[in-house]
Amino acid sequence: RKEVEQDPGPFNVPEGATVAFNCTYSNSASQSFFWYRQDCRKEPKLLMSVYSSGNEDGRFTAQLNRASQYISLLIRDSKLSDSATYLCVVIPYSSASKIIFGSGTRLSIRP
Amino acid sequence: DGGITQSPKYLFRKEGQNVTLSCEQNLNHDAMYWYRQDPGQGLRLIYYSQIVNDFQKGDIAEGYSVSREKKESFPLTVTSAQKNPTAFYLCASSIGVDRVAEQYFGPGTRLTVT
Repeated sequence: RKEVEQDPGPFNVPEGATVAFNCTYSNSASQSFFWYRQDCRKEPKLLMSVYSSGNEDGRFTAQLNRASQYISLLIRDSKLSDSATYLCVVIPYSSASKIIFGSGTRLSIRP
Repeated sequence: DGGITQSPKYLFRKEGQNVTLSCEQNLNHDAMYWYRQDPGQGLRLIYYSQIVNDFQKGDIAEGYSVSREKKESFPLTVTSAQKNPTAFYLCASSIGVDRVAEQYFGPGTRLTVT
């Protein structure tokens, strides 16, 4: 089993829709969780951290479910500019050698 | 403007040749990283450096070498020993390895070896 798994998609939704996708992780000792966004043929950029209590940043909501070992990202009122690949990042503890990137979920927003 | 630069954006080499990818940052970050990304796969850590004159192997260091002679620079050499060198190479930096998830990436270098 992969350490971090994401549905590769693509998720193809109309503008204005709400879309959510999950990322599961296998190491129950994982401590830190993040979502990155990567545009086509560009570098990844940090989108948001994921806290146990859940956190919201505008139209984006990230949640962590430790019992089921997954994190989620919800995008409300999706915009065309949200089209990108969303990478899940899991870190067992603060160490560069342990950072694990998921393979990404591709999201495409259509007009 | 602070940031990370990688050059060149595209690089083509013949099999059997070593090639060095450049990475420079002016963010005054101590930690720097090299990743490789293949289609449909997550980023995989090649090497990282916590401080000048120090570097550690990541998950897929075989066939690669690095140096960290200056804080700003962390070049990666892809040697002829790397069996599948064609990939998208990303350099990143963070304040320290304890802030590894808050890293800034360079624009990447696409290496094609034929």
